[in-house]
Order: sequence, then structure tokens, then C-alpha cells
Amino acid sequence: KNEVEQSPQNLTAQEGEFITINCSYSVGISALHWLQQHPGGGIVSLFMLSSGKKKHGRLIATINIQEKHSSLHITASHPRDSAVYICAVDYGGSQGNLIFGKGTKLSVKP
Amino acid sequence: SAVISQKPSRDICQRGTSLTIQCQVDSQVTMMFWYRQQPGQSLTLIATANQGSEATYESGFVIDKFPISRPNLTFSTLTVSNMSPEDSSIYLCSVGERAGEAFFGQGTRLTVV
Repeated sequence: KNEVEQSPQNLTAQEGEFITINCSYSVGISALHWLQQHPGGGIVSLFMLSSGKKKHGRLIATINIQEKHSSLHITASHPRDSAVYICAVDYGGSQGNLIFGKGTKLSVKP
Repeated sequence: SAVISQKPSRDICQRGTSLTIQCQVDSQVTMMFWYRQQPGQSLTLIATANQGSEATYESGFVIDKFPISRPNLTFSTLTVSNMSPEDSSIYLCSVGERAGEAFFGQGTRLTVV
């Protein structure tokens, strides 16, 4: 069964802290996505990774293909970073859909 | 990239009624995906909608409950029929043309009372 596990499920941080969210998957993938979900349900795509590391502003995403593991880091966290962060993987099947983790709810306190 | 406009963003509906959710894409795409996220759960694929053919439904989802239309390469609708409180969820459409690509609508938060 293709599964995506995220940790932690909930995370509370103080403004300015360095945040790490982890994602593990069970079999080989063609791509991994990190998504940000706002309280209304809308989703924004943050990164798509197939190898290595990507950086955008204060966000950094890394992936280790051999270990089947990815991390999302937020440097100098801010209350506006409070959201649910979701890891989703593309197993490269003919259908093209994604398998989603349950998400990590991040709350950054001022 | 693709920009998706999904409507409505939220709705509160009476049980037994139906709601149609629309997704409009700013470019032509072959496949569109409809997902559901029940409270506290992951996003789960409902069906894949290809233009010109019947949608392909995942196990546990049936056409009578979630009819889908895909009249052209830029538009799709998902209807949640004969709603019950258990249908209260976030519904999301997504497209992706190249391998690994994914773009998302804004989501529809449905509450059934």
C-alpha cells in the first residue's frame, strides 16, 4: 500500500523559531509536493521536488530519495506561517493523481 | 503553470439537497482530479475526469453520489448529491499535465446541516 506519513501532526512554535516538518513515503516516487493549506481550505503549492533541495524565501525543502524522506523547513517563523502543511507524492502511476499525508498543523505564536 | 478558479469557496447546505462545485482552468488540461478531505483526514481522490469520457471513480465513490461533468478541456463540475452531514468536507480540484506537476483550486468547504 502506498502511504505518506507526516510528523509531527501538530506543532506550536514561537515567532522566530526554526521549524521542521517531516514526510516519509513507502515506495519510489516520481515527485513530492509540499503544500500549504489555509483555514478556508484553499491549497497553495510550495514546492515540487524529485531530488535534492529547493529554497524559496524562508522555506527550504529537501528530499532524500534513498531514505524515502523529505523535510520542509521554515526559518525565522512568523505568525503568518500558521497553516496546515501537507506532503503529497506522485508515485508515477498512469492515473497521475497524488497521495496525500494527513498534514501538519503549524501555529506560530507572536 | 495553471490557474484554477474553484467555486463556491464555501457553502452550508440542507441534508437531502445537492451542491455542484465548479472548476475553471486558464489553460487546456487533459486530466482533472477531484479530492475530498474529511475533517482530520488526508485528501482522498474521488475520481479522475477526462474530457470526452466517463470519469473514473475510486473505490468507495460512485457516480450516482458524485456525478462529474467534463464538457471541455478547461472546465469540470463535481456534484455532491442527496447530501448528509457525513458529506461535510473540503472538496478540491487539481490538474497536472506533466509528470509530477500539480495545481490546485482554492477548495470548497461544505457543511451539511
